[in-house]
Amino acid sequence: GNSVTQMEGPVTLSEEAFLTINCTYTATGYPSLFWYVQYPGEGLQLLLKATKADDKGSNKGFEATYRKETTSFHLEKGSVQVSDSAVYFCALSDGNNDMRFGAGTRLTVKP
Amino acid sequence: GAVVSQHPSRVICKSGTSVKIECRSLDFQATTMFWYRQFPKKSLMLMATSNEGSKATYEQGVEKDKFLINHASLTLSTLTVTSAHPEDSSFYICSARTRISAYEQYFGPGTRLTVT
Repeated sequence: GNSVTQMEGPVTLSEEAFLTINCTYTATGYPSLFWYVQYPGEGLQLLLKATKADDKGSNKGFEATYRKETTSFHLEKGSVQVSDSAVYFCALSDGNNDMRFGAGTRLTVKP
Repeated sequence: GAVVSQHPSRVICKSGTSVKIECRSLDFQATTMFWYRQFPKKSLMLMATSNEGSKATYEQGVEKDKFLINHASLTLSTLTVTSAHPEDSSFYICSARTRISAYEQYFGPGTRLTVT
């Protein structure tokens, strides 16, 4: 079945550092890929998405490229801020079944 | 667009009572709704999938008699935790999907349930 493997962390960075959170997936067909962010005590917010191979999703300085050859969708940001501290979930949807989530990566950014 | 609301956002109840959580799609019709449970510092665990007008499909290990799900209309699904116990305390999140955009789910803000 479909699955998502995500770097679990926790990840602690200093402000303005470069961020990478690795995400790889297993799926049949052509799934859509997502990154969600969850702030403490809140639900999931869609951060970015990509619907086909080589698509790049981007939002708020975050980027991720749908790489079919490596089955990856790594999240990157060039310069993190304290306000980026949150839990990040990589997810996959094949359009038929429920969305599959990675384990989540807790990011803490220190000033 | 594509906003999903949940009510209440927080609820505290006594052991043995029942609690109902509502999930509404505010500006679209949700043909399918999902209910997730999230334990502290963990990922989301799918509890059940419900399609409008039909019975919910529960994941293995989820007690259907304890977690009653009703998807009465294209904009409303409810989760009722019956005879709640402290171990049912958790963060419950719903999401909704449309027929048009089957790949994407829209998530509610979650409900924090505390059973004392």
